[in-house]
Parts: sequence; C-alpha cells; structure tokens
Amino acid sequence: DQQVKQNSPSLSVQEGRISILNCDYTNSMFDYFLWYKKYPAEGPTFLISISSIKDKNEDGRFTVFLNKSAKHLSLHIVPSQPGDSAVYFCAASASLIGVRGGADGLTFGKGTHLIIQP
Amino acid sequence: DVKVTQSSRYLVKRTGEKVFLECVQDMDHENMFWYRQDPGLGLRLIYFSYDVKMKEKGDIPEGYSVSREKKERFSLILESASTNQTSMYLCASSIRPDGSNYGYTFGSGTRLTVV
Repeated sequence: DQQVKQNSPSLSVQEGRISILNCDYTNSMFDYFLWYKKYPAEGPTFLISISSIKDKNEDGRFTVFLNKSAKHLSLHIVPSQPGDSAVYFCAASASLIGVRGGADGLTFGKGTHLIIQP
Repeated sequence: DVKVTQSSRYLVKRTGEKVFLECVQDMDHENMFWYRQDPGLGLRLIYFSYDVKMKEKGDIPEGYSVSREKKERFSLILESASTNQTSMYLCASSIRPDGSNYGYTFGSGTRLTVV
C-alpha cells in the first residue's frame, strides 16, 4: 500500500514557465514533508521541506505548499531552468512516533521526471 | 562539506555471492539508512539504524542484513545475492530520523548488478 503517491511519472515544462509537481499521502500521522531532486548516477539531494504546522515554505525559486485536509502537497518551481531537469521525489515522515512505531525513515513517492524544454 | 561516502559506484556480482556495501558518513549523525531505487518503484527503505549496534527493518528487509559497529559506518549485506537484487543502492544519514534539520544526506549510490 503506497503511502506517498506521485501520480505523474513525468512532466514536461518550457523554460521560464512554472513547474508544478504534485504529491498525495494517505497516512495522517505524517507531519513532515520533504522534496528531493535526483540526477542520474547521483544520490538525491535535499531541496526543501515543510512541517505540518505550516501551509507554505519558500526558498528562492522553490515553494512547497501543504494542504493537510486534502493530504496533498505541491512543489512549485518558478521560473523553470534547464538545470531543473531531474527526478523529483516527495517524502514524508512521522516525527512523533514514526509510522513503524519508533525511530523512522522517510517514506518516498515513486518520483516525477521533470523535463525542462528550451 | 558534509559527506556520505559509498565505497563502490558500480559492482557486478554473481548469483549466490555474499555482497558487502559500505557506507561512511563524516557528520557524526546517529541515524543511517539504506534504500534501493528501482524504476517505477521510487526509493524503498531496506534497513535503518539510529545508534551504534542498533538496527531496524524497513519496508523490504528480506534478503538483506546490516551492521553498525561504529557510528560513522553502516554496512548493507546481501547474504546470497540474487538477480532481483540488481538495483541502485543509496545510503543516507541524518541528524533526526524524521528528516527535519536539513533532511537526509545521501551518498552517490552503488549500482549493483547480479548476474
């Protein structure tokens, strides 16, 4: 049972436009959410995060929005640049007790391959 | 610059071999993790450790074991490699297990092929 879902395997956006990547989760215990970016043959790199006490977090061109009632978060990249072409993973964790009842790992979605067209 | 180092970028092993994947971090993090990444499946947690000599099963621990004898080193062991363990293996460490305080830091990955 997939607890973190990224329903778009790929997304193509023109350079300079806004990229919107979506993520849904099912476990109401999740209270911390992260986005990672991954280039081929490299490990994922941390991009931005948001705690469930907030509904928005911004860092430069990247903004993450959290809608707790809908169990939905999105990553906005404005403006999109060619270097943004990568696979983006949404991840979630439960800080208080953990989804496995203790110290926990992040649960990742399957990823969305973002392609920025020149 | 903080680092998580995985000893091998590429490995080719034969079915039935015992395989060791090594991971070292220099950030004095208590928490370390092993994930595997497969196309269409994303990152799946194999094992994690929140302290020396402590280990916890993740979502897909079957066929794997781990060792954490020192804080900075977390090893993933494939007891008897099989072709369905061909994958990209990613090690990570973090200050907090929930990923707060800058998330997880990942290594560059080890691409393992079992033939």
